[in-house]
Amino acid sequence: EDQVTQSPEALRLQEGESSSLNCSYTVSGLRGLFWYRQDPGKGPEFLFTLYSAGEEKEKERLKATLTKKESFLHITAPKPEDSATYLCAVQPSGYSTLTFGKGTMLLVSP
Amino acid sequence: DARVTQTPRHKVTEMGQEVTMRCQPILGHNTVFWYRQTMMQGLELLAYFRNRAPLDDSGMPKDRFSAEMPDATLATLKIQPSEPRDSAVYFCASGSRGTGGMNTEAFFGQGTRLTVV
Repeated sequence: EDQVTQSPEALRLQEGESSSLNCSYTVSGLRGLFWYRQDPGKGPEFLFTLYSAGEEKEKERLKATLTKKESFLHITAPKPEDSATYLCAVQPSGYSTLTFGKGTMLLVSP
Repeated sequence: DARVTQTPRHKVTEMGQEVTMRCQPILGHNTVFWYRQTMMQGLELLAYFRNRAPLDDSGMPKDRFSAEMPDATLATLKIQPSEPRDSAVYFCASGSRGTGGMNTEAFFGQGTRLTVV
């Protein structure tokens, strides 16, 4: 059974304090690993897709990396507007669906 | 501005009543997903369609839930009869098949917050 575990469950940072969120996964063949951002009362918003170990993608203050067992979302010098829940999901080979982790709730204080 | 549209945004209903949630996928997307989000379980897949055909509805309680795509611009999720444990946020998402047959990312709607009392 595919599993996605995200840690920590919640993270509080001061503005400018860099950190990383972790997504560990077990899947029988990975087609893609997805990162989404979700604001309260909104639907998940797509951030990145990673397809193979060693791949990295960046967007503003966010950088996502992928190994064979986990992915990291690095947040550099975060701002209060980066506060959100960050969701990780895996797409197994041969499937179109996504299995999600429960997310990391990030709060960035000014 | 292409987006997935869900209606209603909020629904409060009494136990035993029928609930219908609607979704308009992004024009041109051929894959539609229904997810349910709760605090305890997170996001769980209920069903998904490709080219309007149901491919997987194993996450859905068959006795009370049903999902259909009457046409390419409308997907529906129906609960009959509703129960308090169905209270959750229901999301619709759409996607398409990219180059090499790989699916692109799924784009989510704003969700329907359902409360069954």
